[in-house]
Amino acid sequence: AAGVIQSPRHLIKEKRETATLKCYPIPRHDTVYWYQQGPGQDPQFLISFYEKMQSDKGSIPDRFSAQQFSDYHSELNMSSLELGDSALYFCASSPRTRTSGSPASYEQYFGPGTRLTVT
Amino acid sequence: AQTVTQSQPEMSVQEAETVTLSCTYDTSESDYYLFWYKQPPSRQMILVIRQEAYKQQNATENRFSVNFQKAAKSFSLKISDSQLGDAAMYFCAYRSAWGAQKLVFGQGTRLTINP
Repeated sequence: AAGVIQSPRHLIKEKRETATLKCYPIPRHDTVYWYQQGPGQDPQFLISFYEKMQSDKGSIPDRFSAQQFSDYHSELNMSSLELGDSALYFCASSPRTRTSGSPASYEQYFGPGTRLTVT
Repeated sequence: AQTVTQSQPEMSVQEAETVTLSCTYDTSESDYYLFWYKQPPSRQMILVIRQEAYKQQNATENRFSVNFQKAAKSFSLKISDSQLGDAAMYFCAYRSAWGAQKLVFGQGTRLTINP
């Protein structure tokens, strides 16, 4: 079965540089979530998109921006990188089907992550 | 805001024995989902088991089962017949059933399996 694809898998940048992380969701999944996992920490929610619109926003720095494109892939753009941005960045996707009175129950399927190292 | 707490930073168990990982959460919502994710050294996040809050029956997936106590806001994971491949970081996670559907994770429990 097709899984979530993230590219690149590893990225090394210097301070103050920019980085772009890409996420390709599972086919027919229209919702994408981004999480950041620092060393020894739990994943923290950054931002999510549903049908190409931002649906929720977490603790995402103003230096970061993201969007979802017409083919549902998403990109996380990170500027003015800092040492503290070094982390594993996960993308997750889910289908999003909600009918009135019926809570959605689809899991989020995680990609393998992009390991960003800022030096 | 919802919070998830895992009070056991590390646990260890002998191979073939049973271990229980604890998780508590705080929410004012009545409809939500709870998950256990496994993160092995590869760092891939793997869904282990899911529980819908509206279901009284505890979820079971092969050797993995949960003890869901809604009133106590407790969601523990029991691993039976532990195997070396179960060694990983385990995260408990909460997700609202409506509105924002982001996952809120606990701090994680590192499980070691002793041969």
